[in-house]
Amino acid sequence: EDQVTQSPEALRLQEGESSSLNCSYTVSGLRGLFWYRQDPGKGPEFLFTLYSAGEEKEKERLKATLTKKESFLHITAPKPEDSATYLCAVYGGATNKLIFGTGTLLAVQP
Amino acid sequence: DGGITQSPKYLFRKEGQNVTLSCEQNLNHDAMYWYRQDPGQGLRLIYYSQIVNDFQKGDIAEGYSVSREKKESFPLTVTSAQKNPTAFYLCASSIDPQGGTKNIQYFGAGTRLSVL
Repeated sequence: EDQVTQSPEALRLQEGESSSLNCSYTVSGLRGLFWYRQDPGKGPEFLFTLYSAGEEKEKERLKATLTKKESFLHITAPKPEDSATYLCAVYGGATNKLIFGTGTLLAVQP
Repeated sequence: DGGITQSPKYLFRKEGQNVTLSCEQNLNHDAMYWYRQDPGQGLRLIYYSQIVNDFQKGDIAEGYSVSREKKESFPLTVTSAQKNPTAFYLCASSIDPQGGTKNIQYFGAGTRLSVL
């Protein structure tokens, strides 16, 4: 069964304290892995898409990486405005649909 | 500005009532989607449409209905058959649902539906 698991469920960081969020997946024939940011009460905002193992993408303090089994979202020197829920989703497998994880709630304290 | 507009932002449903959530996009995307988001769960697909006048059931279609009469519009009706409709509903669109860079889904701001 196609599945996406994100960890940790919640993460609290001090401003400037770097860390990583994990997205592990099981899907046959990955055709894309997507990271989104979601603020409370709003729709998800697209951040990155990765298509093959070894690929990396960067945007400001965020860097996404991909292996054959998981993806990491690295946050370098986070600021309070980085606080949000980060969602991971994969496309591929038998269902041909986007499968979402339950997200990681990140809180960055000043 | 190009984007996806969902309305209303908040909606209340009475017992036995059908309600319709609006989703409009001006991105010229072919594919549109409806998701439901509940606390502690990932987004779940309700319905999707790859082309005008065609749509397919997602994983949790029971109690919902859709139409796709125009490329820009994909309204969702929550019927009285949906016994637990309280949730955050998200509409999305993509250029092409078949894969690659064209299936990046962009989301609207959502509609929060509650039962009175």
